[in-house]
Amino acid sequence: GAVVSQHPSWVICKSGTSVKIECRSLDFQATTMFWYRQFPKQSLMLMATSNEGSKATYEQGVEKDKFLINHASLTLSTLTVTSAHPEDSSFYICSVSDFPSSYNSPLHFGNGTRLTVT
Amino acid sequence: DQQVKQNSPSLSVQEGRISILNCDYTNSMFDYFLWYKKYPAEGPTFLISISSIKDKNEDGRFTVFLNKSAKHLSLHIVPSQPGDSAVYFCAAKGGNKLVFGAGTILRVKS
Repeated sequence: GAVVSQHPSWVICKSGTSVKIECRSLDFQATTMFWYRQFPKQSLMLMATSNEGSKATYEQGVEKDKFLINHASLTLSTLTVTSAHPEDSSFYICSVSDFPSSYNSPLHFGNGTRLTVT
Repeated sequence: DQQVKQNSPSLSVQEGRISILNCDYTNSMFDYFLWYKKYPAEGPTFLISISSIKDKNEDGRFTVFLNKSAKHLSLHIVPSQPGDSAVYFCAAKGGNKLVFGAGTILRVKS
């Protein structure tokens, strides 16, 4: 199966600063990457779909200017939380897909990034 | 609007017995269903999946059943082991998006 590397695994930052999270697909070319967010004891909520070489597609209610996504290559997508506030503290997880070449294949997830904004 | 629902927040089972985790969905356009296992502070790990053209898929101790008319699927784990204790997420795919349920915490007691 796919190996997804997400970095950093945890980060603490001060309110007002920006934080960048990287997601790398290590063993196949990911045409599509997804960014999820999980609040404590809640489900994974899709934030945005990151397409290589084009603009990301954001889900309703997700601020595109706050959560900047860059998918510059087939192996790397980044999520930048800009001007972070304590309410942005959460667990962020990326996943990769080689859709549409393998429609019915499971998404593979990174190990997530725990962001704490103080 | 929750399109994928896991109505049991937690389940406790004795080691060696069967664990049954349930999931309901509302969107008839979903055509592929998956179960993931997740430990705290880690990403979800894929367990098993089923296409909407099937009603059962088995992989070792894990079996997923799909009832399309009832829009219901379930994951059976037998025999349950203490290492199975984790949060289990049901997910449904329509197009390129995966929609997750809220998860069920499974505790397997030894």
